[in-house]
Amino acid sequence: EAGVAQSPRYKIIEKRQSVAFWCNPISGHATLYWYQQILGQGPKLLIQFQNNGVVDDSQLPKDRFSAERLKGVDSTLKIQPAKLEDSAVYLCASNYRTGGTKSGYTFGSGTRLTVV
Amino acid sequence: DAKTTQPPSMDCAEGRAANLPCNHSTISGNEYVYWYRQIHSQGPQYIIHGLKNNETNEMASLIITEDRKSSTLILPHATLRDTAVYYCIVFMNRDDKIIFGKGTRLHILP
Repeated sequence: EAGVAQSPRYKIIEKRQSVAFWCNPISGHATLYWYQQILGQGPKLLIQFQNNGVVDDSQLPKDRFSAERLKGVDSTLKIQPAKLEDSAVYLCASNYRTGGTKSGYTFGSGTRLTVV
Repeated sequence: DAKTTQPPSMDCAEGRAANLPCNHSTISGNEYVYWYRQIHSQGPQYIIHGLKNNETNEMASLIITEDRKSSTLILPHATLRDTAVYYCIVFMNRDDKIIFGKGTRLHILP
């Protein structure tokens, strides 16, 4: 079974520029999550999708962050404009169903963003 | 906020059992205890989970106290490849959101 794919693996941008990350979840997984992980901290949930609908985006800084999951498969997370404090690893995870059990959560390797 | 408390770091000698504690004193009856680990530059990886009973798989054992207020993850024969941050998480499956704390950074000493 293919894992959760993320790209790019690394990205360096200047502050005030925009950036986009892409995630392809495991086939058939209905639920998709984006997490932000700042160095030395645990991952922080940004947004949760169920198919192509948003379930929870309460922690997403909506003035600069946006995310979409068209057609309920791939997802993109965008930051515009980026700030220095957005430097982090952005992790995507998917789960096969809402209320899923066991090891349903699978994480990608993440995109490491550096804002200079 | 995370519902668990873990020591920030631990050391373990290679080949010995690593015992990672976790306190979850406010756990509710239908919340599971999950353990994930994150090796450097990778995403978190599922290890094991349990509700009431102790569990064992090919990676680890999970011991949950009778009152369910704490648990211990046991890596029976630690190797250098087990060096990682280990996260103890409690959540209801129907809630479907994993909230991470800061985890325990496990150092395996050669």
